[in-house]
Amino acid sequence: EVQLVESGGGLVKPGGSLRLSCAASGFTFSSYSMNWVRQAPGKGLEWVSSISSSSSYIYYADSVKGRFTISRDNAKNSLYLQMNSLRAEDTAVYYCAGGVVVVAAFDYWGQGTLVTVSS
Amino acid sequence: QSALTQPRSVSGSPGQSVTISCTGTSSDVGGYNYVSWYQQHPGKAPKLMIYDVSKRPSGVPDRFSGSKSGNTASLTISGLQAEDEADYYCCSYAGSPWVFGGGTKLTVL
Repeated sequence: EVQLVESGGGLVKPGGSLRLSCAASGFTFSSYSMNWVRQAPGKGLEWVSSISSSSSYIYYADSVKGRFTISRDNAKNSLYLQMNSLRAEDTAVYYCAGGVVVVAAFDYWGQGTLVTVSS
Repeated sequence: QSALTQPRSVSGSPGQSVTISCTGTSSDVGGYNYVSWYQQHPGKAPKLMIYDVSKRPSGVPDRFSGSKSGNTASLTISGLQAEDEADYYCCSYAGSPWVFGGGTKLTVL
């Protein structure tokens, strides 16, 4: 069974940093691109970042470019999101998502981890 | 990276059909056959309902169907059921690579 489990969320002050993790199981993690998608309270889904299977290709939304860094450790079946210079507008539930059975969509999602940026 | 445009809300009675539109540009919806649709119930993670414009993942009822014409994609839900009440989001490959719609709240009357 495919499982994605996020961790690392919490309360952080504006300007602070946080590192999110996503532990993957039930599939060959090293073969698939992975993504972070976030959802601000009461708002819609927003794609944040994507990383290819071998980390050769990395993409960011304009809203986080230069502040967030996506990475992965295929040996540990883990995906990461390093978030620096956090702003109030980064407050959201952050989901780890992947296209495993389906290539060009997100067919598996984690349960999400809440990041709150507030003083 | 502008969000795709969806109606804020749609509604229908049980047994009826509803269609949710998703309008983009030739750089996203119109340029690729990689439109997907997600259902999200309150407090839950999104669930994939349609991918590649019109394909259904295993386990998704055939009451859910997708289509595309030009820069606009559509999700049609026929034979509405109470459990279909949820938020629905479209998503398209855009080269950058992904963009979501703003979401549509479906109310089953």
